[in-house]
Amino acid sequence: DTGVSQDPRHKITKRGQNVTFRCDPISEHNRLYWYRQTLGQGPEFLTYFQNEAQLEKSRLLSDRFSAERPKGSFSTLEIQRTEQGDSAMYLCASSLPPQGANYGYTFGSGTRLTVV
Amino acid sequence: KQEVTQIPAALSVPEGENLVLNCSFTDSAIYNLQWFRQDPGKGLTSLLLIQSSQREQTSGRLNASLDKSSGRSTLYIAASQPGDSATYLCAVLPDGSSNTGKLIFGQGTTLQVKP
Repeated sequence: DTGVSQDPRHKITKRGQNVTFRCDPISEHNRLYWYRQTLGQGPEFLTYFQNEAQLEKSRLLSDRFSAERPKGSFSTLEIQRTEQGDSAMYLCASSLPPQGANYGYTFGSGTRLTVV
Repeated sequence: KQEVTQIPAALSVPEGENLVLNCSFTDSAIYNLQWFRQDPGKGLTSLLLIQSSQREQTSGRLNASLDKSSGRSTLYIAASQPGDSATYLCAVLPDGSSNTGKLIFGQGTTLQVKP
């Protein structure tokens, strides 16, 4: 297991199109997170899965955004009817529970979305 | 509402200098605090994690301290090198989010180490 993988690395799309990103977490990590990072800012939490259950969603996640984690393995983040304001780096991370001795947050390299 | 602030936003130093990056948070009820490094266009790499009961953590030339009561953390980098050039992000895990693991990040400090 080489870490958290995200695909694609870059995506350019026209306004109004739908896009889908994929994240493959570290296999033994039951927690998976999506964050969004705009230029010059720190990442902002979007949503969180424990196994296959989506347990929390940020108010940043409008109705145009949907995330899934079927079977508690990889996750997808879909944005429908993209807007220019959706342009950002979308980061995926996985971890074990914070209370555990082996807790550690591992981020993927991100997907850079540009909406034109 | 927890807010995390990092000052300065950018820092440029000559190679070999020791330097300190600052992070402050508004609510002292945190479970842990982490420092991350981010290279341009890349994801985040975890550098140091300090549990709320700890005062500091060290890894190589890096030392992170935590003063929960005053809402502050510092990242000390000794003998800086050009390869240290990156954005450094501070993130807190609030006590109320210890089950979810949801981090709150500062805006980052972009460090440039000149040869």
